[in-house]
Amino acid sequence: RKEVEQDPGPFNVPEGATVAFNCTYSNSASQSFFWYRQDCRKEPKLLMSVYSSGNEDGRFTAQLNRASQYISLLIRDSKLSDSATYLCVVNKYNDMRFGAGTRLTVKP
Amino acid sequence: DAGVIQSPRHEVTEMGQEVTLRCKPISGHNSLFWYRQTMMRGLELLIYFNNNVPIDDSGMPEDRFSAKMPNASFSTLKIQPSEPRDSAVYFCATQDGDTGELFFGEGSRLTVL
Repeated sequence: RKEVEQDPGPFNVPEGATVAFNCTYSNSASQSFFWYRQDCRKEPKLLMSVYSSGNEDGRFTAQLNRASQYISLLIRDSKLSDSATYLCVVNKYNDMRFGAGTRLTVKP
Repeated sequence: DAGVIQSPRHEVTEMGQEVTLRCKPISGHNSLFWYRQTMMRGLELLIYFNNNVPIDDSGMPEDRFSAKMPNASFSTLKIQPSEPRDSAVYFCATQDGDTGELFFGEGSRLTVL
């Protein structure tokens, strides 16, 4: 079993749609969690950290469920510019493990 | 700060040749990571260093791969001899010790013919 698993998608949604991604992790001792965004042929960049109480940044909401060992990302009112691959990241003692990524395409 | 700097950006080489990829981390970041990304396997952690010391190299595919960090300003990833299955984008990343955020270089795209 992979340490971090994501639904690979692709997700194709119209502008304005709400889309949710999930990610599960296998190591219950994982300490911190992140969502990264990667545009085509570019390096990954931090989208947001994921906190135990859940957190929001504009149209983006991240949630963590430690009991079930999954994290989620919700994007509301999606824009064309949200088209990218979204990677969940699980960290334990500086060992940063990435999921395979979920590809999102937002269409006009 | 210029961010994480990797070189070369692109390399095309023939099977059996030695390949050396280079990384200059962000000043003050004490942890450095090497990742490999392919369509089939996604982003794989190869090795990471903390304060220039290799902490976990269990992701290094085989003995043909080696990585060094002789000082806080420089790291190398070497493949010798290279094989076509090594073709991938190799990313170097360093970590902000306060926030945990990883900052990636632009990657080195390796093609082994």
